[in-house]
Amino acid sequence: DQQVKQNSPSLSVQEGRISILNCDYTNSMFDYFLWYKKYPAEGPTFLISISSIKDKNEDGRFTVFLNKSAKHLSLHIVPSQPGDSAVYFCAARANAGNMLTFGGGTRLMVKP
Amino acid sequence: EPEVTQTPSHQVTQMGQEVILRCVPISNHLYFYWYRQILGQKVEFLVSFYNNEISEKSEIFDDQFSVERPDGSNFTLKIRSTKLEDSAMYFCASKTGDQETQYFGPGTRLLVL
Repeated sequence: DQQVKQNSPSLSVQEGRISILNCDYTNSMFDYFLWYKKYPAEGPTFLISISSIKDKNEDGRFTVFLNKSAKHLSLHIVPSQPGDSAVYFCAARANAGNMLTFGGGTRLMVKP
Repeated sequence: EPEVTQTPSHQVTQMGQEVILRCVPISNHLYFYWYRQILGQKVEFLVSFYNNEISEKSEIFDDQFSVERPDGSNFTLKIRSTKLEDSAMYFCASKTGDQETQYFGPGTRLLVL
């Protein structure tokens, strides 16, 4: 089941630069998307979300962009900080229910 | 800031034994969830619970699994007869009735030997 896919298993970025994490989905019933950050041995921590009626949502250093026609969303982190180093998961919810479908995650490493 | 808590943090059990994983969701939340992540795999939905009944469940959530909200604060996941393949991190999550964001607990690492 590959309804939500994060094609880059890892990403390395220099501190202060932009990190762009990508996510693709196939299910056109998805209407709400979330990004979570996860450290080892911890639960996913909510970062930012976007409804399908929007194409952009911004919260401080984090911005999520949604391209519905391409079924693609991305998370931008500007500027990247070493503390941002973690695994980032994209998740999606279909309008008919409550369950979240997760992507496989992208490990972000921000180098000082 | 309120958070979801889970106990125990780690559990080791023998195949065939019953385990109960416990969660305390955020107090004003109405929807409760269990997810799991097998090592190296995606986070997978197991079950959602609202108004004292299961509202959705995945194919993984078979007759060996059950959930309960025995009182006003706890939310439990029971696995009746554990299998080796049940070894995973189990995450509890909760959300309010009017927002979409699910908040996750720190997880219980279950190891079935």
